[in-house]
Amino acid sequence: AQSVTQLGSHVSVSEGALVLLRCNYSSSVPPYLFWYVQYPNQGLQLLLKYTTGATLVKGINGFEAEFKKSETSFHLTKPSAHMSDAAEYFCAVILYTGTASKLTFGTGTRLQVTL
Amino acid sequence: EPEVTQTPSHQVTQMGQEVILRCVPISNHLYFYWYRQILGQKVEFLVSFYNNEISEKSEIFDDQFSVERPDGSNFTLKIRSTKLEDSAMYFCASSQRGDTQYFGPGTRLTVL
Repeated sequence: AQSVTQLGSHVSVSEGALVLLRCNYSSSVPPYLFWYVQYPNQGLQLLLKYTTGATLVKGINGFEAEFKKSETSFHLTKPSAHMSDAAEYFCAVILYTGTASKLTFGTGTRLQVTL
Repeated sequence: EPEVTQTPSHQVTQMGQEVILRCVPISNHLYFYWYRQILGQKVEFLVSFYNNEISEKSEIFDDQFSVERPDGSNFTLKIRSTKLEDSAMYFCASSQRGDTQYFGPGTRLTVL
C-alpha cells in the first residue's frame, strides 16, 4: 500500500523567500506523484505531476518538484514566494496500474506568506 | 479550459435524510471519482467508477453510499440516510486514462 508524509503542517515564509514543502512517499512500485493546491474555500487544483521521464518537473505559478527515488521524496519548491501563494498544498501518490487508481493524499501543508 | 463542475456548492440536510451530490466530469474523461475532506483533515478516497461500474471503493463507502452515471454527462453520489459524521466537503474528480485526476470545486455537506 502507498502512503504520503508531509513534514510540517504549517510553513511560514517571507515574500520573496524560497518556498520548500516536503513530501515523502512509500510505495512498493514506481509511483505517480502529484502536488495539488487548495485556495481558501476552493477545490483542489493540480499544480504539477511526475509520472515517468524527467525527474524535475515544472508546474504552474513557478513551482517545481524533483522526484528522488533514493530518498523517496517529491519536495515542492518555488524560488520566490508571493502573497498569492498562501494556500494549502497537498502531496498525493497513485499506483497507476492502467485502470482507475485512487489518489492517496498527505495531510497537507498550509503555506503562509508574510510581508 | 474544460473543468469538473459540482452542484450544489453547499447542501444542508437533517440527519437521516437522503442527499444527492451531482458532478459533471470533463467530457472526454472515462474515469470518475469521489473523495471527501472532513474539516481540518486530509482528503480521503471514497470510490472510483469506470465503464459503468465501481472499480474500487474504500471502507468509508458503505451501504449508505451509492454512485450512478445516469446519463452521458452526470455522475452522482447518493447518501441514503445521512449521519452527523457525513458532514464534509465532497469532491468529484475525473480522469481521461485513470492517472491524472482533475477535481471539481466541491460540495460542502452539512448534516444537522
